[in-house]
Amino acid sequence: DADVTQTPRNRITKTGKRIMLECSQTKGHDRMYWYRQDPGLGLRLIYYSFDVKDINKGEISDGYSVSRQAQAKFSLSLESAIPNQTALYFCATSDQQRGDEQYFGPGTRLTVT
Amino acid sequence: QKEVEQNSGPLSVPEGAIASLNCTYSDRVSQSFFWYRQYSGKSPELIMSIYSNGDKEDGRFTAQLNKASQYVSLLIRDSQPSDSATYLCAVKELGTYKYIFGTGTRLKVLA
Repeated sequence: DADVTQTPRNRITKTGKRIMLECSQTKGHDRMYWYRQDPGLGLRLIYYSFDVKDINKGEISDGYSVSRQAQAKFSLSLESAIPNQTALYFCATSDQQRGDEQYFGPGTRLTVT
Repeated sequence: QKEVEQNSGPLSVPEGAIASLNCTYSDRVSQSFFWYRQYSGKSPELIMSIYSNGDKEDGRFTAQLNKASQYVSLLIRDSQPSDSATYLCAVKELGTYKYIFGTGTRLKVLA
């Protein structure tokens, strides 16, 4: 099945460490997204990308960076992790040619101690 | 600031009843609307998309869109305990490929 995968699924790290979350998709979609979800705050957009040459900041990009290594791969980095970056992180994909429906990966639970 | 509003709930309905979930949005030019189901600790799962005024049915689910009132709803017929989850409403911004999500309505179906 065409899918969106994320690694790792769970990660505990210490304050100040650099960490990378990876996302891959086999849906053939052109757009990819990174969101974080905190209790009571809903999904908030961190970064989004139309293709490998197009990277855009979302509403909460400070403290994060991304890389679109290929059409199917989109990585999120926390350069120096801090405790308030503890959250559930989701990668998502969409494609205008396929109704703009957005599909989510299984998520990464990140804890920064 | 474009917004999508949902009642946080919980909305409790008995098994077999119809659950009605509502969502309002602020950007009147929006054209694409989506409903997701999210179980605790899991990722959002797309239930339905709707783009035109009126009703769209898929199995036990019916999405309703009224662009004049800036209102979109989701009806779940014959609700089952397995439908207990948080339901997220999402609106795609016109002219961009960004989506605005509501904070979700928690549904509890009582056996």
